[in-house]
Amino acid sequence: DAGVIQSPRHEVTEMGQEVTLRCKPISGHDYLFWYRQTMMRGLELLIYFNNNVPIDDSGMPEDRFSAKMPNASFSTLKIQPSEPRDSAVYFCASSRQIQETQYFGPGTRLLVL
Amino acid sequence: SQQGEEDPQALSIQEGENATMNCSYKTSINNLQWYRQNSGRGLVHLILIRSNEREKHSGRLRVTLDTSKKSSSLLITASRAADTASYFCATGPTGGFKTIFGAGTRLFVKA
Repeated sequence: DAGVIQSPRHEVTEMGQEVTLRCKPISGHDYLFWYRQTMMRGLELLIYFNNNVPIDDSGMPEDRFSAKMPNASFSTLKIQPSEPRDSAVYFCASSRQIQETQYFGPGTRLLVL
Repeated sequence: SQQGEEDPQALSIQEGENATMNCSYKTSINNLQWYRQNSGRGLVHLILIRSNEREKHSGRLRVTLDTSKKSSSLLITASRAADTASYFCATGPTGGFKTIFGAGTRLFVKA
């Protein structure tokens, strides 16, 4: 198995632009998680899905952030419009059960200028 | 608020020494996990210990869990420079709620 796949690996954009991050979870995993990591705030859970349904989006910072999971093998995290404070590393992770081992992707390093 | 809090925040040791990191949490848990993150990489799962277990081993790793004190420790024996990374504990609260990650301990092993 290729593990969790994220794209792009790096993204540099200008303030106000739309950013879309993509994730392909491990096949057979029912849970998908989106995290954001910064030096100041550490690792934050933004949202997670169970069987493609968003369960808890309490960590989404504001309406500029949205996430979708149209099928079991694909999810997107969109920021529109982006701001410099959104600069961070965004991780996608998947697991079989809610409290079992999470497998993390390599992350997308986002820089908003 | 964070469920798990690691201690110390940072640790610097010489190669060959043992490294001990601690995690304290607030509420009852089903399990506790430890993850490692190398610089610029995603988190990698190391070990999971369930609430009815007291100790687990995996290679040079030893994890203990004391549910009465709501704490866990991760011991890395005979550390190597390659063990330099951040280590996170993650707790699975009772009730089946989402796993919660702590802030991590940054370990630096000097060759």
